[in-house]
Order: sequence, then C-alpha cells, then structure tokens
Amino acid sequence: GAGVSQSPSNKVTEKGKDVELRCDPISGHTALYWYRQRLGQGLEFLIYFQGNSAPDKSGLPSDRFSAERTGESVSTLTIQRTQQEDSAVYLCASTRTAGDTQYFGPGTRLTVL
Amino acid sequence: AQSVTQPDIHITVSEGASLELRCNYSYGATPYLFWYVQSPGQGLQLLLKYFSGDTLVQGIKGFEAEFKRSQSSFNLRKPSVHWSDAAEYFCAVGAQGQGAQKLVFGQGTRLTINP
Repeated sequence: GAGVSQSPSNKVTEKGKDVELRCDPISGHTALYWYRQRLGQGLEFLIYFQGNSAPDKSGLPSDRFSAERTGESVSTLTIQRTQQEDSAVYLCASTRTAGDTQYFGPGTRLTVL
Repeated sequence: AQSVTQPDIHITVSEGASLELRCNYSYGATPYLFWYVQSPGQGLQLLLKYFSGDTLVQGIKGFEAEFKRSQSSFNLRKPSVHWSDAAEYFCAVGAQGQGAQKLVFGQGTRLTINP
C-alpha cells in the first residue's frame, strides 16, 4: 500500500513567516510522529500522536511550534515566526500501533532565509 | 533517558569488503533497537530491529546486527558491501514498555563505497 507522504517536499520561506507542513500517514496507522533533522545531525523527536489520547509534545523546541492531528488521519506541523535555526528536514512517521515499527515519509526540507 | 552514540561519523570501505558500523546505547532496561538507512533524497528505511529473543538479527539487503547487552552495543554488519549501500545509517533506541514511541537516534554514520 501507499507509504507515508509529506508535503511540500521543499519549502523556502523568509524569517518571521509562518509555515505549515503536512503529513499523511499510512492508512490505518494510529500513531504518528514528527521529527526534525538538522544538517549533519540525527533525528530529534518533536511530537507524538496516538489515537485520541493527548499528544506527547515534550520534544517541541519552543511555543512557536505546534501540531494538530484530526482523528487518525492527516497531521499538520505549524511553525510560527520562523527563524533561521528552524531550517531542517522535518520527517513524519506512522505506526499501526504504539510499539510497532515506525515508517517514515520522505520529509519536508525547510529553508528559512 | 535513552541515548545513542555512533562513534564513526564517516566510514569508507571498498566494494566487496566487509562492513561494521558501531552503535552504543544507554538505557536502563532492555531496549528496542533499530537500524535505519537514509539514501540521498530518500526517507528513512528500516533495515532491522531488535525487540527480544535471538540477539543476532537479520535484516534486509544482507545486513545483520548483534545485540550485546554486556557492551550496550548493537553493531550493524554486512559481509560484502555493494556500491548501492552508500548512504547514511542511523541507529535508534526506543523505550520498552512505551513501545517504539520517541525513538532516540544517533548522529548517523555516512558510508562511502570505493569502487
């Protein structure tokens, strides 16, 4: 079946602008994760959604970052008032249930000028 | 808290040579352990995982990894690399009991293959 998809694949924005990144998980996957990968670095956990439970936001770096997920479908990561240090690849992953293998999307490369 | 160390930032091997990528983790209980590969412009692909049982795990593309509790290691191996194996490799640990949520990743090892 279809894998995790993310859009846009690339986003260039000016400092101070807001951006929205979208993730479509694999159909039927109840858990969804967002990670950030800075250039030359490993992945940093940002936020985790599991079904209708309250999301785990412990990895969000500042209050400029927020994410939403409607039910077990699409998730949107929003970064307000972007800064140059927000430039990174933002990766989304989904799993059938918590405890299952995470399947990653191709990522959105965000460049803040 | 969990942590993962991949001591080698960059490794170069010749095509056909054997490969071992190192991974050391820190976690108080038995961890979930993963190796992912990231090719240029691609998302992360799972190579193999260890949850429990046999400590030698076989994965895709001819890769294997061995969980050694006494050394807190989960090194990735391949007996003979191919040029297509050139990529970035990430080791990750997840907390057992919490499933695979909030994986902690190492910094990655970039693998270059010489013809």
